[in-house]
Amino acid sequence: ETGVTQSPTHLIKTRGQQVTLRCSSQSGHNTVSWYQQALGQGPQFIFQYYREEENGRGNFPPRFSGLQFPNYSSELNVNALELDDSALYLCASNRMDREDTQYFGPGTRLTVL
Amino acid sequence: GQQLNQSPQSMFIQEGEDVSMNCTSSSIFNTWLWYKQDPGEGPVLLIALYKAGELTSNGRLTAQFGITRKDSFLNISASIPSDVGIYFCAVAFSSNTGKLIFGQGTTLQVKP
Repeated sequence: ETGVTQSPTHLIKTRGQQVTLRCSSQSGHNTVSWYQQALGQGPQFIFQYYREEENGRGNFPPRFSGLQFPNYSSELNVNALELDDSALYLCASNRMDREDTQYFGPGTRLTVL
Repeated sequence: GQQLNQSPQSMFIQEGEDVSMNCTSSSIFNTWLWYKQDPGEGPVLLIALYKAGELTSNGRLTAQFGITRKDSFLNISASIPSDVGIYFCAVAFSSNTGKLIFGQGTTLQVKP
């Protein structure tokens, strides 16, 4: 039990729509990262949030955006959904002084039709 | 870009056998991590390695951080059916970005 929770579990959207995914970090963790995992691949880093600011970003377009709230929970927003956005979206949290040791939530499975 | 190479890609073994898998990189990394992922779930951290040459155990799992800081291996002793899953190695790309780079994964199947 990692303590990281995500909602919803599954989501189906159509091309062009917008989606918001939510994450609650593990107790004591002040940093949240988001990853995209396509079928059969390892997770790909999207971005990280610390102190409500984006702290690092992977190779994802601006239509992927995020928020972190004072209670360290976080949202991932994706605009103008494309078919290739279908994936498992994972949230991970960590202590800022131990940023390399990230604990993952169960993920949200997004299907874009 | 940065890439981790995991091998083997998949393994099918008999219950009770020992398993070994490894992960290599062309670049030096200062932290190596091993995760296990069950279908439809998020990766679960198994072992974290922070020092070159370090050998760390977690129950039947043992992992080592290569002395060159370009590789790591994971061993599972006396495998059981619940060891089935996908095992990923990961490295911390750099400090202060939060980015972990993952390998492609090793799929392990255990025959009772």
